[in-house]
Amino acid sequence: DSGVTQTPKHLITATGQRVTLRCSPRSGDLSVYWYQQSLDQGLQFLIQYYNGEERAKGNILERFSAQQFPDLHSELNLSSLELGDSALYFCASSVTSGTSGGAYEQYFGPGTRLTVT
Amino acid sequence: GENVEQHPSTLSVQEGDSAVIKCTYSDSASNYFPWYKQELGKGPQLIIDIRSNVGEKKDQRIAVTLNKTAKHFSLHITETQPEDSAVYFCAASFTMDTGRRALTFGSGTRLQVQP
Repeated sequence: DSGVTQTPKHLITATGQRVTLRCSPRSGDLSVYWYQQSLDQGLQFLIQYYNGEERAKGNILERFSAQQFPDLHSELNLSSLELGDSALYFCASSVTSGTSGGAYEQYFGPGTRLTVT
Repeated sequence: GENVEQHPSTLSVQEGDSAVIKCTYSDSASNYFPWYKQELGKGPQLIIDIRSNVGEKKDQRIAVTLNKTAKHFSLHITETQPEDSAVYFCAASFTMDTGRRALTFGSGTRLQVQP
């Protein structure tokens, strides 16, 4: 158990809908990262938050957004869902932001499996 | 951006044999290289990592080597056991256009240890 929690575990929804995925980082970790894992794309970095502020952005679609709250939990919002958005969504956390260029171990949660029908 | 290539995509070994997974990266500024193990239905688990200022790191049956000149790093698992069966991902840190750092992952290696 990494100490990172994610809810819900599974989510089934229809095209065009909007969903919110939730993540709580390990105790003491200030950074939260979101990743998408699909069969054909592997693990893709979406976005990072550090202590409430957006810190880095990867291949995140404009239909997707995220935020980190004062208690450090984070939510990933996916809107206007398409069939291709079906994937596993992982949250990871680390102590540092990584911007100093140093190493920053990331610990992953169990993921949310999103199925868009 | 960074590109990480991982080989092989599948690997089958007999219990007790060694397994080696190799990755190459493109960004010469990369300085952090973690390895993750993902079991079915679970999130990736950090099993070992190496920083660019060392060439090798070992933790019990697992070791990682880094060749900065050739820009490749490898995971070595000795005395494999059935519970080592999983998908293994390598990753490398890289600096994005914004100056921020992120991890990019290899495509994964499915390791099967035959009892």
